[in-house]
Amino acid sequence: KQEVTQIPAALSVPEGENLVLNCSFTDSAIYNLQWFRQDPGKGLTSLLLIQSSQREQTSGRLNASLDKSSGRSTLYIAASQPGDSATYLCAVSKTSGSRLTFGEGTQLTVNP
Amino acid sequence: GAGVSQTPSNKVTEKGKYVELRCDPISGHTALYWYRQSLGQGPEFLIYFQGTGAADDSGLPNDRFFAVRPEGSVSTLKIQRTERGDSAVYLCASSPKRNHKGGELFFGEGSRLTVL
Repeated sequence: KQEVTQIPAALSVPEGENLVLNCSFTDSAIYNLQWFRQDPGKGLTSLLLIQSSQREQTSGRLNASLDKSSGRSTLYIAASQPGDSATYLCAVSKTSGSRLTFGEGTQLTVNP
Repeated sequence: GAGVSQTPSNKVTEKGKYVELRCDPISGHTALYWYRQSLGQGPEFLIYFQGTGAADDSGLPNDRFFAVRPEGSVSTLKIQRTERGDSAVYLCASSPKRNHKGGELFFGEGSRLTVL
């Protein structure tokens, strides 16, 4: 059974800092890995999707990397802003269209 | 609509009652998913539809939970004889089709269910 772990559970940083969120998964036979953002009381917004054959994806100040063989992914946020404060979730799927298995998330607070 | 729409946004009910939660996916999306999220946890998979049929319902916790998608668009999650442990946010997501953008999912804002 796939298990996804995210470290740290919570993180508080001053504005402007670069930061890394970590995600690990137990079964390396994945189809893709997605990073989501969730604001309090809201649904999930997809940030980045990495196919199993890819090593990284970038969108603006966000960069996600994938090391499939070691079961790890990182989300790098450059020059953090208070508006980045949210919970960040990673999730993996086993095949195309199949269920996502989520981690419990990292709650990020960026202080002005 | 522009995004995945879920109604109601909030539902408070009493133990033992029947509840229906509705999901209206993005127009043209063939895949639809239901997840359940408890406070402080990541979402847990419930059921996945490809078109009108349930492609994977192995996440439904027991036979009190049932979901339909009769015309391949709107889906309804039905919970019978609700229990306090059913209290959670129920999230719906849709995806255009298999292999589109590697399976990117678009989530609604969820229906918060509270069972008293």
